[in-house]
Amino acid sequence: DSGVTQTPKHLITATGQRVTLRCSPRSGDLSVYWYQQSLDQGLQFLIQYYNGEERAKGNILERFSAQQFPDLHSELNLSSLELGDSALYFCASSVGVRSPTHTGELFFGEGSRLTVL
Amino acid sequence: DAKTTQPNSMESNEEEPVHLPCNHSTISGTDYIHWYRQLPSQGPEYVIHGLTSNVNNRMASLAIAEDRKSSTLILHRATLRDAAVYYCILRDASQGNLIFGKGTKLSVKP
Repeated sequence: DSGVTQTPKHLITATGQRVTLRCSPRSGDLSVYWYQQSLDQGLQFLIQYYNGEERAKGNILERFSAQQFPDLHSELNLSSLELGDSALYFCASSVGVRSPTHTGELFFGEGSRLTVL
Repeated sequence: DAKTTQPNSMESNEEEPVHLPCNHSTISGTDYIHWYRQLPSQGPEYVIHGLTSNVNNRMASLAIAEDRKSSTLILHRATLRDAAVYYCILRDASQGNLIFGKGTKLSVKP
């Protein structure tokens, strides 16, 4: 158990719909990361938040957005869903962007599997 | 981001050592070498990381070439549970996110 909690574990929806994925980081972790894993693209970094602020952006579509709340949990919003958005979405957390006294390792949740029909 | 090159797949026998290679010829002086693995149907998990010196932990050892252009993850005695995709990732000390490549899919035969 990594200590990172993601909900829901599975989600089935239709094209054009909007969904929200939720992530609770490990206690004390300030950074949250979102990744998308599909069969053909592998693990793709989407976005990172640190203590409520966006810190780094990867291959995140404009239809997707995320935020990190004051209690440090994060949500990934996916809108106007397309078939190609079907994937596993992972959340990870770490202590901070740069922490010289820690390994800085990322702890990943078990993922949310999104199926768009 | 500096790139890494890994074999697509490797096979090992149970109870034998496994050496997983990674080439990173464009590594910069501030890049740490990280290894993660992803077991089937799970999220990635941290294995080990290092900068210049070889590193050991309870899961594995990391051998880093003197010029840092390559490294090797060593699993001392492979078990069936070690079957996973292993990712070698370069990460700047100031960078939080990890950029994953395709990794090496390790199969372990009983």
